[in-house]
Amino acid sequence: NAGVTQTPKFQVLKTGQSMTLQCAQDMNHNSMYWYRQDPGMGLRLIYYSASEGTTDKGEVPNGYNVSRLNKREFSLRLESAAPSQTSVYFCASSEGRGRHGGGTQYFGPGTRLLVL
Amino acid sequence: GDSVTQMEGPVTLSEEAFLTINCTYTATGYPSLFWYVQYPGEGLQLLLKATKADDKGSNKGFEATYRKETTSFHLEKGSVQVSDSAVYFCALSGVGAGSYQLTFGKGTKLSVIP
Repeated sequence: NAGVTQTPKFQVLKTGQSMTLQCAQDMNHNSMYWYRQDPGMGLRLIYYSASEGTTDKGEVPNGYNVSRLNKREFSLRLESAAPSQTSVYFCASSEGRGRHGGGTQYFGPGTRLLVL
Repeated sequence: GDSVTQMEGPVTLSEEAFLTINCTYTATGYPSLFWYVQYPGEGLQLLLKATKADDKGSNKGFEATYRKETTSFHLEKGSVQVSDSAVYFCALSGVGAGSYQLTFGKGTKLSVIP
């Protein structure tokens, strides 16, 4: 049981390049999330998918797109990278049921992205 | 909207010292409250949680009590170890339409010295 896995672990891009961050979970969770972590800012939600087939914007969606490929996989795409997108990106998943819809979230190890 | 405020760090303690990291929140209704821990170079791990008022979450010697009257969820440990050195995040999960989102505090870095 690997939990939440992310690829790549580290990436360097030039301004204007595109890339896709991959995330997969093997816990049969319904909900998945993408966060970015910046110094002194905590974690901020980019996009989430409450269930397979749905996606919604979070706090900082501009410059990103997402795809919920199936129940296991949730990818994050940067179409035209900018230096402001230099960050550490975390994927997370949760069962997604109950009164507190999301439930406890389980995080991947992160992808460090540097945009020059 | 929902928000979480936690004490600024960094916090440096000697081994076996008592730890308190303050966390207060603003939210409507009765959110769930969490403490996550992030060790260097790793993702976040759930440390403990509480889902209703007066609940106490505990794990690995850490404790936090959900205080509705003071809107607080302070993290405590009686005797810290070097291995507790990490960044600690307080977070809440709201109720209703916003309940899929975790709102995080900015994190408190703890360093424990031998």
